[in-house]
Amino acid sequence: DTAVSQTPKYLVTQMGNDKSIKCEQNLGHDTMYWYKQDSKKFLKIMFSYNNKELIINETVPNRFSPKSPDKAHLNLHINSLELGDSAVYFCASSRTLNNEQFFGPGTRLTVL
Amino acid sequence: GESVGLHLPTLSVQEGDNSIINCAYSNSASDYFIWYKQESGKGPQFIIDIRSNMDKRQGQRVTVLLNKTVKHLSLQIAATQPGDSAVYFCAFSGSARQLTFGSGTQLTVLP
Repeated sequence: DTAVSQTPKYLVTQMGNDKSIKCEQNLGHDTMYWYKQDSKKFLKIMFSYNNKELIINETVPNRFSPKSPDKAHLNLHINSLELGDSAVYFCASSRTLNNEQFFGPGTRLTVL
Repeated sequence: GESVGLHLPTLSVQEGDNSIINCAYSNSASDYFIWYKQESGKGPQFIIDIRSNMDKRQGQRVTVLLNKTVKHLSLQIAATQPGDSAVYFCAFSGSARQLTFGSGTQLTVLP
């Protein structure tokens, strides 16, 4: 069974489009996250969502919006995609904040 | 500010040798530290963690050392194997209790 799953695995789209990436965890964790990994492998946190509290990284453009329909899901919606949004996006979850995080397989987003 | 740095971006070791990957952090309030391994095309995978009330923790073939005085974290891999080739990240708890990741070290195991 996959602990943290993401769809799609690959996403290729044109500039200006709006797209969503879905994430689900079946670990019963309270906290979920979105990370962006650039071409140099640098991992940067974008959002964390802990018990209905959203913690936003201030450097993330407001074109990015996380949506959590329930504790097991944290989807990432991106409006007006730009070339610089091309990266691998990872979802993760943890039992609570400050605990081991389990990562999904990643979604490679390419903006043309 | 918070930062996590790695002393070496790449590390090559002979199969069977021990590997040491280093990491420096700047937030003296950090109390939780993790090492992750990321293989090509996959998400980061937990290796080992340590809390600030400890200075050493051992797992299977891996040991994490924490020196809070100089804000230094290291990962030691014993008898390095080809399957250990990956990018290794250190991470530490920062503000808002979120993890901050280092820039990663590419470990290559030579036959």
